[in-house]
Amino acid sequence: SQELEQSPQSLIVQEGKNLTINCTSSKTLYGLYWYKQKYGEGLIFLMMLQKGGEEKSHEKITAKLDEKKQQSSLHITASQPSHAGIYLCGAGPGGSGNTGKLIFGQGTTLQVKP
Amino acid sequence: DTGVSQDPRHKITKRGQNVTFRCDPISEHNRLYWYRQTLGQGPEFLTYFQNEAQLEKSRLLSDRFSAERPKGSFSTLEIQRTEQGDSAMYLCASAMGETQYFGPGTRLLVL
Repeated sequence: SQELEQSPQSLIVQEGKNLTINCTSSKTLYGLYWYKQKYGEGLIFLMMLQKGGEEKSHEKITAKLDEKKQQSSLHITASQPSHAGIYLCGAGPGGSGNTGKLIFGQGTTLQVKP
Repeated sequence: DTGVSQDPRHKITKRGQNVTFRCDPISEHNRLYWYRQTLGQGPEFLTYFQNEAQLEKSRLLSDRFSAERPKGSFSTLEIQRTEQGDSAMYLCASAMGETQYFGPGTRLLVL
């Protein structure tokens, strides 16, 4: 079965610094989703990537999909305290009869120090 | 607010009791998912509905768990004879296209 591994598991950065979170899949990626979660709350959709080489940006967050490496990266530029939270990558298992369920990585906890 | 609501937000129960959670998806969304999330982990898929039909259930969903979506709108997840291992956040998500939108979750604590 497909597994997603995120690195690092946790990250503490000074406000204003850039950072990158990686998500590596054990199998071919058929679409990769990035979500953000505040502790004790639901997931907020950030971005979806579908094609190898695809790159999307939303405000100061950029995500890229490297299909050959079965990997996606999430990059935050000039981090702010509002970026703090848990970042989760999710992917569909692919194949025929896919119901759209998502498999998630274990999450990366980001703290931004003012 | 994603438009997906869940009730209750928190539930504390004693081992052996039954609990029921409700999810109200975004109104035009025909697909509904339940996930379970434990501390420090990503959500794990439990079950999936397309309209009122339950089309997939995870092996995580033991016989004590049952889910319904009677009219293809809201859904309920019931856990019978709760165990301490059932303590987790239960998340509901709905979708029309490719993106799933999650509710705020129901946090269950079994004492």
